[in-house]
Amino acid sequence: QSVLTQPPSASGTPGQRVTISCSGSSSNIGSNYVYWYQQLPGTAPKLLIYRNNQRPSGVPDRFSDSKSGTSASLAISGLRSEDEADYYCAAWDDSLSGPVFGGGTKLTVL
Amino acid sequence: QVQLQQWGAGLLKSSETLSLTCAVYGESFSGYYWIWIRQPPGKGLEWIGEINHSGSPKYNPSLKSRVTISVDTSKNQFSLKLSSVTAADTAVYYCARGGVTYRLHMDVWGKGTTVTVSS
Repeated sequence: QSVLTQPPSASGTPGQRVTISCSGSSSNIGSNYVYWYQQLPGTAPKLLIYRNNQRPSGVPDRFSDSKSGTSASLAISGLRSEDEADYYCAAWDDSLSGPVFGGGTKLTVL
Repeated sequence: QVQLQQWGAGLLKSSETLSLTCAVYGESFSGYYWIWIRQPPGKGLEWIGEINHSGSPKYNPSLKSRVTISVDTSKNQFSLKLSSVTAADTAVYYCARGGVTYRLHMDVWGKGTTVTVSS
């Protein structure tokens, strides 16, 4: 049982915009930055979005995030086949005094 | 370019101790946190613990009684030991680099080591 709650799956067709939600609490998302990781099949997670919608070099601006209260969302616009992956949200948890993750959302590009 | 190379035993029996090492290449060991994450088959990510260059570890409370993370700055390596393993510890184990201020800024990862615990 993950501390942060994500839908197990999401899907969209090429070119569409899809969003993935991440729900937490006041001790994590409500008071700390949210991070998003992308995990392609058989590979290690990759940092996708960090601290208020910032992207590491090489991550296209089709990826963006937002936060409201104790929930966050990852948006992917102009969906492409290579976006098919698992996506994880993460945040520092003040109660745990450590990071917590969502259970992951498997994105399928139809 | 920073790289993390990890290794360790991939097949264990219940009650044995898991031991993994992660070597850091192309970057100074200081100024970052060095983190272990695991992912059980078909499941999400779980933080195991972290350590900084001065050797101050921090552990997930759910694993704290069984985990030891240590650092060898002379070799630019850090290690994970998890004692008394059970089938529930079967997972892919990753090492990662976290930021000194924001540990969740994990921008460099090892390729992962699959650890299977059999009874």
